[in-house]
Amino acid sequence: DSGVTQTPKHLITATGQRVTLRCSPRSGDLSVYWYQQSLDQGLQFLIQYYNGEERAKGNILERFSAQQFPDLHSELNLSSLELGDSALYFCASSGVGVLAGTNTGELFFGEGSRLTVL
Amino acid sequence: AQSVTQLGSHVSVSEGALVLLRCNYSSSVPPYLFWYVQYPNQGLQLLLKYTTGATLVKGINGFEAEFKKSETSFHLTKPSAHMSDAAEYFCAVTRYAGGNEKLTFGTGTRLTIIP
Repeated sequence: DSGVTQTPKHLITATGQRVTLRCSPRSGDLSVYWYQQSLDQGLQFLIQYYNGEERAKGNILERFSAQQFPDLHSELNLSSLELGDSALYFCASSGVGVLAGTNTGELFFGEGSRLTVL
Repeated sequence: AQSVTQLGSHVSVSEGALVLLRCNYSSSVPPYLFWYVQYPNQGLQLLLKYTTGATLVKGINGFEAEFKKSETSFHLTKPSAHMSDAAEYFCAVTRYAGGNEKLTFGTGTRLTIIP
């Protein structure tokens, strides 16, 4: 158990719809990362938040957005869904806070949210 | 920008045989390198990591990897494969240890163990 919790585990929806994926990082971790895993694209970095602020952006579509709340949980919002958005979406967290001195970049991954767009 | 290249999207080895999964990196600054494993229907789990110091790093489940700067490689090995090693393995790189840098992953290598 990595300590990172993602909900829902599975989600089936239709094209054009909007969904929200939720992530609770490990206790004390300030950074949250979102990755998309699909068969054709592999693991793609979407976005990173650190203590509520956007820190880095990757291959995230304009239809997608994310935020990190004061309690450090994060949500990834996917809108105007297309068939090609079907993928496994991972959240990961890393420790910066009090463990900054020993942090070595390791990410702790949740089990993912599998999105199927029909 | 950093990147990693994993040679071989699929590798099959017999149970008890040597496992060798290849990873080459590209980085303009000293890299931090990782191997993650993904079992079916699960998230990614850290196998091992290289940050600084000893270039031969040992991880969980008997895996190890050697950082070779001259070859820009970080290959993953295990002397004797076990059926439970069947999974997908990802090599990843980041710039420095700070906790705020995203990992860039390779395309993954699916390891199959032949009984």
